[in-house]
Amino acid sequence: SQQGEEDPQALSIQEGENATMNCSYKTSINNLQWYRQNSGRGLVHLILIRSNEREKHSGRLRVTLDTSKKSSSLLITASRAADTASYFCATDAYTGNQFYFGTGTSLTVIP
Amino acid sequence: GAGVSQSPRYKVAKRGQDVALRCDPISGHVSLFWYQQALGQGPEFLTYFQNEAQLDKSGLPSDRFFAERPEGSVSTLKIQRTQQEDSAVYLCASSTPQESSGNTIYFGEGSWLTVV
Repeated sequence: SQQGEEDPQALSIQEGENATMNCSYKTSINNLQWYRQNSGRGLVHLILIRSNEREKHSGRLRVTLDTSKKSSSLLITASRAADTASYFCATDAYTGNQFYFGTGTSLTVIP
Repeated sequence: GAGVSQSPRYKVAKRGQDVALRCDPISGHVSLFWYQQALGQGPEFLTYFQNEAQLDKSGLPSDRFFAERPEGSVSTLKIQRTQQEDSAVYLCASSTPQESSGNTIYFGEGSWLTVV
């Protein structure tokens, strides 16, 4: 069974708006990562946040992590049509050998 | 190579046929993972290798699934007597040496398997 769960399942916004998607997970983690997947393609790593970090930035991406609530959020600012994709969070099991993915948020950015 | 390479990209198999999917990880990456992704779902863990050792195969759905990495580089995922429920994208990923935890895992484009 999958560890993470993203919400919303689908999100549609206008170009230039911000997009926020959330991820909840079940057990203690070492790290949480966010990935993007364009239709028919593999997953592309976006950002990793460690369990002792609360916030991390990378370009237009901002990730937060709340280990007490077992949740994370991904914010994409000033969205572009090219940001249209599915976004997944992935957490590693305490042993670090497995990475568990959620079911993803499908983001559509309308030009 | 520059990235994780998987082949074939697309495979149509008749039910009952055996298939073999190949993964060429990033050169020097010790850890290798296989994931299965059904349509509209997130990737599900299948198995994990560290060099040639298969350290975790808890995600393999049945004994029809078998993975190997005999020389600690290229890996093959074999599915015997394919069933329709095996239709999915099979993703391979590799990560930097030493511990996988905390390191980025890099994915290939996947092998799309359709069982008819």
